[in-house]
Amino acid sequence: GAGVSQSPSNKVTEKGKDVELRCDPISGHTALYWYRQRLGQGLEFLIYFQGNSAPDKSGLPSDRFSAERTGESVSTLTIQRTQQEDSAVYLCASSLAGQGIYNSPLHFGNGTRLTVT
Amino acid sequence: QQPVQSPQAVILREGEDAVINCSSSKALYSVHWYRQKHGEAPVFLMILLKGGEQKGHEKISASFNEKKQQSSLYLTASQLSYSGTYFCGTDPMDTGRRALTFGSGTRLQVQP
Repeated sequence: GAGVSQSPSNKVTEKGKDVELRCDPISGHTALYWYRQRLGQGLEFLIYFQGNSAPDKSGLPSDRFSAERTGESVSTLTIQRTQQEDSAVYLCASSLAGQGIYNSPLHFGNGTRLTVT
Repeated sequence: QQPVQSPQAVILREGEDAVINCSSSKALYSVHWYRQKHGEAPVFLMILLKGGEQKGHEKISASFNEKKQQSSLYLTASQLSYSGTYFCGTDPMDTGRRALTFGSGTRLQVQP
């Protein structure tokens, strides 16, 4: 079946502009995660959605970052007034997690590579 | 708090074995392992659960010491396809966060 789909695959933007990154999770996956990966670095948690519960926004680095998810479908990560330090690959993942992620694998998309010039 | 992985990098010849370690300062529900090849998405390898249950691929083995909050991934008779960066992700018990916290990764290179 189809995996996690992210768009665009690459985005180059000028400093100060806003960007929107899209994630389409695997059908039926109730949990959706956004992570950021800077060049050569690990995966930095940003935000987590689980069904209709309030999202866990504890990883968002600043108020320039926000994300939305409609039900159990598509999610959009928005970065306002982009800065050069926002340059990274933004990865989306989904899972079947119910009460938690302890026993459900994460399925990652191929990411959006964001370059802020 | 981010788990600590060791070693940071390792180079092997085909057929050699390697162990990658992951250590947390917090009690854990589970430890996940993922492999990421250059320019690709991370791919699930294994989950180790509190209580001893494991879920993952047959050709990969791992251990989870709940008392020490440590996990090790065992790569035996390595193949060229094992090359990549290995990440452990932990699910601590004492936080409200229901998302994995990943280590900084172990870069594995298998040479012919």
